[in-house]
Amino acid sequence: EAGVTQSPTHLIKTRGQQATLRCSPISGHTSVYWYQQALGLGLQFLLWYDEGEERNRGNFPPRFSGRQFPNYSSELNVNALELEDSALYLCASSLRTTTDTQYFGPGTRLTVL
Amino acid sequence: GIQVEQSPPDLILQEGANSTLRCNFSDSVNNLQWFHQNPWGQLINLFYIPSGTKQNGRLSATTVATERYSLLYISSSQTTDSGVYFCAVERGGGGADGLTFGKGTHLIIQP
Repeated sequence: EAGVTQSPTHLIKTRGQQATLRCSPISGHTSVYWYQQALGLGLQFLLWYDEGEERNRGNFPPRFSGRQFPNYSSELNVNALELEDSALYLCASSLRTTTDTQYFGPGTRLTVL
Repeated sequence: GIQVEQSPPDLILQEGANSTLRCNFSDSVNNLQWFHQNPWGQLINLFYIPSGTKQNGRLSATTVATERYSLLYISSSQTTDSGVYFCAVERGGGGADGLTFGKGTHLIIQP
């Protein structure tokens, strides 16, 4: 069974541009989560999508947004990029039944110059 | 929000040694997971263990929910065990809160 996949692996942008990151969950999983791992800040919860809707977000500004498609894949958009947005962005999926185990993808490393 | 503290922050051991990593959390939780982050950044699931004890090969974990801590045991360490180990918790159920991560324990196993 395929795990969570993310694309691209690396992304280089300049300040002020927009970045789009993509995530495909494990087959059958309906929930997708996004996390940011920035140097010195640790792993932080960013967004949660379930059944096509944004259900919750962490302490991030509105320029971090995204969506979930009917096939449950998701994309994360970061507008008006700032230098401090440089980070590893991790996507996770879960089945949300009797256990809430989240399974993570390999991540997208975003560098903002 | 919920606080997660991991100890020790760094641990250097010789191959073959045993180790215990600790995770303290500040509130009751419905989800607790242990991860190993590989050198490329991917988080590898080790255990889903909001309570009780589990074992998987050389690794085992125990969560005492009433006392708000979890322990990860690694026996007969190998160099491939090196990396950062994270504990992550969720207070509510159903994934609503997202996972809150500790700062991790950086484990180095020397040959």
